[in-house]
Amino acid sequence: QQNVQQSPESLIVPEGARTSLNCTFSDSASQYFWWYRQHSGKAPKALMSIFSNGEKEEGRFTIHLNKASLHFSLHIRDSQPSDSALYLCAVSPNNAGAKLTFGGGTRLTVRP
Amino acid sequence: DMKVTQMPRYLIKRMGENVLLECGQDMSHETMYWYRQDPGLGLQLIYISYDVDSNSEGDIPKGYRVSRKKREHFSLILDSAKTNQTSVYFCASSLGGTLYFGAGTRLSVL
Repeated sequence: QQNVQQSPESLIVPEGARTSLNCTFSDSASQYFWWYRQHSGKAPKALMSIFSNGEKEEGRFTIHLNKASLHFSLHIRDSQPSDSALYLCAVSPNNAGAKLTFGGGTRLTVRP
Repeated sequence: DMKVTQMPRYLIKRMGENVLLECGQDMSHETMYWYRQDPGLGLQLIYISYDVDSNSEGDIPKGYRVSRKKREHFSLILDSAKTNQTSVYFCASSLGGTLYFGAGTRLSVL
């Protein structure tokens, strides 16, 4: 059974900082990797995804994926107070009818 | 705009009572899910449904059952609720691997 772990559990950074969130997974057959963001009291919402080794950038957010190391990460450039949320990584063996396994989450607080 | 609707938003039940959580989506997505969320445990998959009457157990199905008689509607049933089923329950539907979540139901079993 897939085991997905996130680190750190919580993180406090000042506004404008670069933030890095980590996710490790156990199943080397995993193919699809997501980050979801959940603001307090709200539904989780897909933030970004990556399907091949390397890096993908969207605005202030960048995902790095290293399948050989069973690791992917989310980097936030110029962190804003509105980025304060619970960040959940998720892994799937395939895209069709994806059975996503989520990590426990990293709670990010960005101080103004 | 894609929408997943969950009812009710808040629910308090006594141990041993039956619980029905309902979820609807207006996107005709084939695949739907029920997750529960507890602090520090992220989202744990209870059941996945690939279409009408095509349901599969997730990682923590014990104590739960589901019903999907129409593509747009997916129900989660707790027969004789237990206190350890107190949690926030999220329904989701998916398209192309991306999950779209409802706002959640906060269930307290006393």
